[in-house]
Amino acid sequence: KAGVTQTPRYLIKTRGQQVTLSCSPISGHRSVSWYQQTPGQGLQFLFEYFSETQRNKGNFPGRFSGRQFSNSRSEMNVSTLELGDSALYLCASSPSRGGNTDTQYFGPGTRLTVL
Amino acid sequence: AQSVSQHNHHVILSEAASLELGCNYSYGGTVNLFWYVQYPGQHLQLLLKYFSGDPLVKGIKGFEAEFIKSKFSFNLRKPSVQWSDTAEYFCAVNGYGGATNKLIFGTGTLLAVQP
Repeated sequence: KAGVTQTPRYLIKTRGQQVTLSCSPISGHRSVSWYQQTPGQGLQFLFEYFSETQRNKGNFPGRFSGRQFSNSRSEMNVSTLELGDSALYLCASSPSRGGNTDTQYFGPGTRLTVL
Repeated sequence: AQSVSQHNHHVILSEAASLELGCNYSYGGTVNLFWYVQYPGQHLQLLLKYFSGDPLVKGIKGFEAEFIKSKFSFNLRKPSVQWSDTAEYFCAVNGYGGATNKLIFGTGTLLAVQP
């Protein structure tokens, strides 16, 4: 099976712009989670989707949003970009309902740089 | 709020040395615990996980971890490291019950193994 894919792999944006990142989970996986990884804060949970519904949300401002489509693909959007949004954004998928013992399979990430 | 502490930020070992990476979490309820590894240029991947049963868990590549509930710890061990174990190691916890995959990650430990 192909792994989790994320597009684009690299993005450069300027402050004030908005950006959309895409994640395709492993075939058959229905749960998708997003994380932000930065040198200062480490890995922080953004949100989680299952069957097109947001099941959980992390402590991020409303500028961060996401959605999941019927084929389980997910997108996240960041509006009004700030310098501090520069980070590696990771997507992870898991096979089942989101049971907390699930193994999550991570993608390679999208490296976002905000200038 | 749940949190995870990894006390060793950088560890340098020679090949064949033994490894122990510390992980402590703060949460009084039932938890599921994970160690993930990120090899240079690769995705985050699961090393091992604990959710019930034998508190000594074995994972891939000869790694193991011991869950000590009284100490809120889940330390990672390997008796003899190899150069290929050079990577960043993340401890993570999920204490939210069965409804979510949300993981709280530690800040990571960068392990460098010298040949």
